Amino acid sequence: EPEVTQTPSHQVTQMGQEVILRCVPISNHLYFYWYRQILGQKVEFLVSFYNNEISEKSEIFDDQFSVERPDGSNFTLKIRSTKLEDSAMYFCASNFLAGGTAEQFFGPGTRLTVL
Amino acid sequence: KQEVTQIPAALSVPEGENLVLNCSFTDSAIYNLQWFRQDPGKGLTSLLLIQSSQREQTSGRLNASLDKSSGRSTLYIAASQPGDSATYLCAVPTSGGGADGLTFGKGTHLIIQP
Repeated sequence: EPEVTQTPSHQVTQMGQEVILRCVPISNHLYFYWYRQILGQKVEFLVSFYNNEISEKSEIFDDQFSVERPDGSNFTLKIRSTKLEDSAMYFCASNFLAGGTAEQFFGPGTRLTVL
Repeated sequence: KQEVTQIPAALSVPEGENLVLNCSFTDSAIYNLQWFRQDPGKGLTSLLLIQSSQREQTSGRLNASLDKSSGRSTLYIAASQPGDSATYLCAVPTSGGGADGLTFGKGTHLIIQP
């Protein structure tokens, strides 16, 4: 069964460094998302992406963050100048239809630890 | 702003019991509602998506209901098993257009005692 994959599973970085989190969405899906979950807290929406541009972003998704679909399969989240509070699980998701009609499928997550 | 609340925050029951998890949301203008399961340190597994035009959706021992007008959904788990132990999350689309991000509740942490 097709699934969303994410790499790496765990990333450790020093404060101030840049990190890139990678996702491979399900192949026929058109809409892509990033979420984060700080330990013990809710899953929070960061950004959605369709047709090579951002569709929607939350207030969390500031200039420190960027997303890109560099080729036909990968979807990346870049975090510049990481801060301690960026430590969280980052989940990628995808679905086929927008308008809230279609099920979102999530990857296993990347645990980011900022020291 | 959409807010999602899940009650109870935690639940521990003996194996074999039927149980109900509750989810409420503040803005009833939703297209659908999705229930997920999250195991410790793992990703989210989609369990059920119920469309706004539906009142119920079933998958195996799981049954989700939706009452949009009252802003409520329930997840019914029949004949619970220890393998059902996990955190159950409900989520609704944040806004009414475009590629909707989801707003999540904090979840119900479920323990099924063998």
